[in-house]
Amino acid sequence: EAQVTQNPRYLITVTGKKLTVTCSQNMNHEYMSWYRQDPGLGLRQIYYSMNVEVTDKGDVPEGYKVSRKEKRNFPLILESPSPNQTSLYFCASSPRFLRGKNNEQFFGPGTRLTVL
Amino acid sequence: AQSVSQHNHHVILSEAASLELGCNYSYGGTVNLFWYVQYPGQHLQLLLKYFSGDPLVKGIKGFEAEFIKSKFSFNLRKPSVQWSDTAEYFCAVNGGSQGNLIFGKGTKLSVKP
Repeated sequence: EAQVTQNPRYLITVTGKKLTVTCSQNMNHEYMSWYRQDPGLGLRQIYYSMNVEVTDKGDVPEGYKVSRKEKRNFPLILESPSPNQTSLYFCASSPRFLRGKNNEQFFGPGTRLTVL
Repeated sequence: AQSVSQHNHHVILSEAASLELGCNYSYGGTVNLFWYVQYPGQHLQLLLKYFSGDPLVKGIKGFEAEFIKSKFSFNLRKPSVQWSDTAEYFCAVNGGSQGNLIFGKGTKLSVKP
């Protein structure tokens, strides 16, 4: 089944304790992206990757890191989490980085992170 | 910079009522437009998309949207809502030099049985 998976789905942690949220897609998509969703703010892009070893900042990159060593994986790293990073995080992928044709994004199930 | 505005934060309707959710975007060039739905506790799913051609787009579950270029709008409609349509709806736009999607802040729809 074509899908985007994220782990963990739920995580409670404490300020300053490094964590990684994994994201994997099995559709051979080139483009992957991380969003955070907060009430009243919709989805805001954190980082995105157009292909292996190509990453760039989205709208709210502060406090996050990413890597894209393999096409299928795009982990989100919080080196020193803070309470303002408590949020619902979604990973998404699409076939390629496109301005024109069929760049529908497929979303993972979400990771609910609480930083105490 | 591109932006997307969704006019209604929360819409409450009774079953069988008609629905229209507003979406306006700020980019003046060629755009791709999307509506996503998020059911409670679930991830985002694509409802419909517009790339080119007929500005009236039909999606899943009886939803449709109309692209009006002169108004920079892409409003979502459904003639008769059901309780199962209770969800949050997000409009998204892609255009310009970026391939990224810009999302609106979402509209919560509550349908009373």
